[in-house]
Amino acid sequence: GENVEQHPSTLSVQEGDSAVIKCTYSDSASNYFPWYKQELGKGPQLIIDIRSNVGEKKDQRIAVTLNKTAKHFSLHITETQPEDSAVYFCAGKGDSNYQLIWGAGTKLIIKP
Amino acid sequence: DAGITQSPRHKVTETGTPVTLRCHQTENHRYMYWYRQDPGHGLRLIHYSYGVKDTDKGEVSDGYSVSRSKTEDFLLTLESATSSQTSVYFCAISEGQPGTGELFFGEGSRLTVL
Repeated sequence: GENVEQHPSTLSVQEGDSAVIKCTYSDSASNYFPWYKQELGKGPQLIIDIRSNVGEKKDQRIAVTLNKTAKHFSLHITETQPEDSAVYFCAGKGDSNYQLIWGAGTKLIIKP
Repeated sequence: DAGITQSPRHKVTETGTPVTLRCHQTENHRYMYWYRQDPGHGLRLIHYSYGVKDTDKGEVSDGYSVSRSKTEDFLLTLESATSSQTSVYFCAISEGQPGTGELFFGEGSRLTVL
């Protein structure tokens, strides 16, 4: 079945700099890769997703890239701001359409 | 924000006692899920429902049962709580299957089993 690994577990960047979080997956048949942001005391919230028929997707300051050959996908946040501080989770579709397999999460810290 | 309410939000209980967590939605979404979140493990699916009285197991279902008697309510029951079930539990809903679209999460229920 699918296995998703996420790195790094903690990332600290200066405000205004870029942040990159990377995930690798094992199932070459996986075709849907969402990214969720979780703020303290709240549930995760979808921020961007990508399907396997595209290599990159952007939404303002965030972007996701997908490399199907290497089986990895990355979240890019540019011009980081204090409100970007949160835990970010990647996920990949599991064996059934009901299941997402989640990465362990990355705590992003934006230093003022 | 999606209309999802979890109750209770915090509970402390003792080993061996039964516990029921409730998820209530006002979105009329077909699919509902219970996840647990533990450090270093991300989110793991416990059970899910694809309609009233239609439920199935996720990847970590042992020790848990669920029921869905109405579209809006999905209950998670720990028949006899153990310390390994200390966790934060999240309910989620979706209009379509999660492998294809967005999940909306509640704010979580923190359970401590002593």
